[in-house]
Amino acid sequence: AQSVSQHNHHVILSEAASLELGCNYSYGGTVNLFWYVQYPGQHLQLLLKYFSGDPLVKGIKGFEAEFIKSKFSFNLRKPSVQWSDTAEYFCAVNARGGYNKLIFGAGTRLAVHP
Amino acid sequence: SQTIHQWPATLVQPVGSPLSLECTVEGTSNPNLYWYRQAAGRGLQLLFYSVGIGQISSEVPQNLSASRPQDRQFILSSKKLLLSDSGFYLCAWWSMGAHQETQYFGPGTRLLVL
Repeated sequence: AQSVSQHNHHVILSEAASLELGCNYSYGGTVNLFWYVQYPGQHLQLLLKYFSGDPLVKGIKGFEAEFIKSKFSFNLRKPSVQWSDTAEYFCAVNARGGYNKLIFGAGTRLAVHP
Repeated sequence: SQTIHQWPATLVQPVGSPLSLECTVEGTSNPNLYWYRQAAGRGLQLLFYSVGIGQISSEVPQNLSASRPQDRQFILSSKKLLLSDSGFYLCAWWSMGAHQETQYFGPGTRLLVL
């Protein structure tokens, strides 16, 4: 069965620090990959996605993620975080041909201190 | 533009009482619709999905059921709530527009079963 692992459950950073959140998935077939973000009191929204092509994907608000097929990973990065990046981040995979269902990781709570 | 509504926003129910959560989508037709649950400390778990009116697929055995009486309406129900049904319930729909293949999430319903 498919699964998604996010290794960091809670991350605390100071502003301007660099961020990398790990995401690994278990599925041998072709996948689409997503990072979603949930800011306090707001809807879950899409941060970035990978379908095909360049494995380095750029999303909103300066975030990027790199798909490494050999490692089954899709880590999220940002060179310099801001207080407004405080949120919960979810990695998800969607197996093609499977009614577009998403399998989510447990999420990572990021707290950025000024 | 497309909009997704969920109500109620918050609900406190006693154990053994019935449940009905509603989700409606505007601005699209024949969407795929999904119900997810987010329990404390865990990621989003897919509960049900629907590819059309009256078509419901269950992902996990549980105390809940779902129905899709109209194209843009998706209902989550229970005849008798359990304590373990507490959580944050999210409805989502899948957009198949060009370069927009992603799921959009509603604001969610926070359910507390006492």
